[in-house]
Amino acid sequence: QSVLTQPPSVSGAPGQRVTISCTGTSSNIGADYDVHWYQQLPGTAPKLLIYAYNNRPSGVPDRFSGSKSGTSASLAITGLQAEDEADYYCQSYDSSLSDMVFGGGTKLTVL
Amino acid sequence: QVQLQESGPGLVKPSETLSLTCSVSGGSISPYYWIWIRQPPGKGLEWIGYVYDSETTHYNPSLESRVTISVDTFKNQFSLKLRSLTAADTAVYFCARGFPYTGYDLSGASYHFHYMDVWGKGTTVTVPS
Repeated sequence: QSVLTQPPSVSGAPGQRVTISCTGTSSNIGADYDVHWYQQLPGTAPKLLIYAYNNRPSGVPDRFSGSKSGTSASLAITGLQAEDEADYYCQSYDSSLSDMVFGGGTKLTVL
Repeated sequence: QVQLQESGPGLVKPSETLSLTCSVSGGSISPYYWIWIRQPPGKGLEWIGYVYDSETTHYNPSLESRVTISVDTFKNQFSLKLRSLTAADTAVYFCARGFPYTGYDLSGASYHFHYMDVWGKGTTVTVPS
């Protein structure tokens, strides 16, 4: 059972917009600890996609964006492409655990 | 460009100790966090632990009694030792660099943490049942 809750799967057609939620509590996202997102393409290592809610490392397209509201964060992908099919993980810090916490991951399928 | 490369045995017997090394090329050990994360087959990411300031360590409570992470600044590498292995430790093991930052929580208090900006490709470790 992950501390941060993500939907197991989402899907969308090419060109559409999809969002992936990451729900936490008052001791992590709700306490305003930064949320980071990682993309894991099939058979590869995770890659940093978004850091500190809505900052993109160099090379990450602006089709990817992050946001936060209350105890939840979201990753939005616009103009969905086949190459976006991957697993996505959120990560934050939890003050009650004094530890890094991950979401369980969301599998994005491009129809 | 910083690159990380894991090395170690692919097969370890139950009850034995796993030793993995992550070699860092193209950059220095300081001032980063150095992290081990694993992913059991078909499952999500599990944080194992990290080392920073070359000697300060922090481990996942569920693994703490069996884990040691250390860094060798001269060799530009860091290592993981996981003792008393069982089949449940079968996973892909990733090393990663933690980029440190200072954030501010809801109360305005500052905190220091990191995000993983560079990852190794991962190494598969199998512990037969």
